[in-house]
Amino acid sequence: AQSVSQHNHHVILSEAASLELGCNYSYGGTVNLFWYVQYPGQHLQLLLKYFSGDPLVKGIKGFEAEFIKSKFSFNLRKPSVQWSDTAEYFCAVPFSGGYNKLIFGAGTRLAVHP
Amino acid sequence: GAVVSQHPSWVICKSGTSVKIECRSLDFQATTMFWYRQFPKQSLMLMATSNEGSKATYEQGVEKDKFLINHASLTLSTLTVTSAHPEDSSFYICSAREGGRPRNTEAFFGQGTRLTVV
Repeated sequence: AQSVSQHNHHVILSEAASLELGCNYSYGGTVNLFWYVQYPGQHLQLLLKYFSGDPLVKGIKGFEAEFIKSKFSFNLRKPSVQWSDTAEYFCAVPFSGGYNKLIFGAGTRLAVHP
Repeated sequence: GAVVSQHPSWVICKSGTSVKIECRSLDFQATTMFWYRQFPKQSLMLMATSNEGSKATYEQGVEKDKFLINHASLTLSTLTVTSAHPEDSSFYICSAREGGRPRNTEAFFGQGTRLTVV
């Protein structure tokens, strides 16, 4: 069965530090991978997604993620975080046969200090 | 992006009563909506898939008689928590996908409804 795991539950960084959040998946079919962000009090928003092609995916707000098939990973990165990046980040994969039916990781709560 | 709105944003109810949560797509028609719940410090878990004009499909372990889903129009799905108990207290989130578009079209999420049963 499909599953997704996120390694870090809480991350605290200072502004301008680099960010990498881990995500590993277990998925038997065609790999589709997502990163979502939830800012305090706001809707869950799509940061980026991978379907096929270039394994390095660029998303909104300077985020990127790299799909490494051999490691079953899809880590999220940002070279220099800002205070406004404080949010919760979720990695997700779809249920088999259901693109928008998503299985979410446990989430990583990121706090960026000025 | 497209807007999905949930109402109410939060609700407190007494144990044994029923609560209805609405999920509306404001600027598109959604043939499919999804309902998730999120317990404190846990991830979102899919509860059911709501299809306009037909019965909802529930995930394993979700009681369909307890969580009634109605998707009567292309812009509205409702989740009714019947005979709510404190263990039903959670954050309920819906997402909606525009009908008539490719299967991999992004679904948009509502802001969530925090239910507290006392």
